[in-house]
Amino acid sequence: DAGVTQSPTHLIKTRGQQVTLRCSPISGHKSVSWYQQVLGQGPQFIFQYYEKEERGRGNFPDRFSARQFPNYSSELNVNALLLGDSALYLCASSLGQVDGYTFGSGTRLTVV
Amino acid sequence: GENVEQHPSTLSVQEGDSAVIKCTYSDSASNYFPWYKQELGKGPQLIIDIRSNVGEKKDQRIAVTLNKTAKHFSLHITETQPEDSAVYFCAASNGGGADGLTFGKGTHLIIQP
Repeated sequence: DAGVTQSPTHLIKTRGQQVTLRCSPISGHKSVSWYQQVLGQGPQFIFQYYEKEERGRGNFPDRFSARQFPNYSSELNVNALLLGDSALYLCASSLGQVDGYTFGSGTRLTVV
Repeated sequence: GENVEQHPSTLSVQEGDSAVIKCTYSDSASNYFPWYKQELGKGPQLIIDIRSNVGEKKDQRIAVTLNKTAKHFSLHITETQPEDSAVYFCAASNGGGADGLTFGKGTHLIIQP
């Protein structure tokens, strides 16, 4: 079975641009969560979606938004990119809300 | 909100020896404590987890202990092998999705041959 797939794997954007990151969960998983991992730090919670509804939001500005589609895949959007948004963006899927997360390999976003 | 502290930031042990990584948490409502292993270029991989109604859990060479009173939990790896070299993260959650998982800053485990 395929694991959690994220696309693209790497991305370079200019300050002020907008970016969309995509995630496909493991088949049967209805929960998708997004995390930001800055180099040398642990992942930081951005959003959780369960059954296509937002169930949780971390301490991130409104420039960050997400949605979940009927097939449970998800997109993370970031507007007005800042240099500080450069990070590895991780998607995790699970059957429940937080337990048994399976993470994808992430999208490495570089803002220049 | 929850705050998770993790120590040490780097741990070097001889192959075959044991490694212990310790974490403390601040929110007494937290009830789920997973540990993740992250190798270079990959996402974190769940290696073991424990819930607050259990004091200890073991899976082959890996064990986790939880002290709810002191609000700390630890990862124990016995008979370390070269493939154990990675960054390990502890995390805590109150079980709901509203706050997600709160991660520690990670421990870089180095297994010396």
